[in-house]
Amino acid sequence: NAGVTQTPKFRVLKTGQSMTLLCAQDMNHEYMYWYRQDPGMGLRLIHYSVGEGTTAKGEVPDGYNVSRLKKQNFLLGLESAAPSQTSVYFCASSYSIRVKNTEAFFGQGTRLTVV
Amino acid sequence: DAKTTQPPSMDCAEGRAANLPCNHSTISGNEYVYWYRQIHSQGPQYIIHGLKNNETNEMASLIITEDRKSSTLILPHATLRDTAVYYCIAPPPNAGGTSYGKLTFGQGTILTVHP
Repeated sequence: NAGVTQTPKFRVLKTGQSMTLLCAQDMNHEYMYWYRQDPGMGLRLIHYSVGEGTTAKGEVPDGYNVSRLKKQNFLLGLESAAPSQTSVYFCASSYSIRVKNTEAFFGQGTRLTVV
Repeated sequence: DAKTTQPPSMDCAEGRAANLPCNHSTISGNEYVYWYRQIHSQGPQYIIHGLKNNETNEMASLIITEDRKSSTLILPHATLRDTAVYYCIAPPPNAGGTSYGKLTFGQGTILTVHP
């Protein structure tokens, strides 16, 4: 199993550019999440989804949009990147109805620099 | 989420037990306690979780006090590879009693295992 895969792993953007981060999970999980982590800080929840076609705001949603058109994928979009969005982005998924496990599985992160 | 409080840092000698405390005095009756760890620059990794009873798995043991206001994560024989930031989290359960995995990360405890 690949688990949770994030694409790309690294990216440098210029201010004002747009991009989409892709998260894919192969565990048939219902819930998916996007977090950001700034240096020396804990993870902060940006947006999350409790099922295909649903999304909700987390703690720091401004400047980001998300979509979950397929159960296995959760996309994070930056419409107009700003230097304040320089961070490491982590995707996570959890909860299989069949297995009923509740722990979250995380991807390896996307390191984004906005110049 | 119930607020959790952890010491900012701890040291442990290799081969000895590492006991990481967590206070969660505002935890409600149906909120589980989860422990994750983050090894340098990687995505967080699930360790263990529990509600009332003590739990053990291949990675660690979790001791929860009878009043559920605090818990201790025990790594029985710490190795250098256990050096990481350890997070204690009590996420709110969803209507079905499971956790969304909507995890709120604090600063955690930086555990340093030394030779």
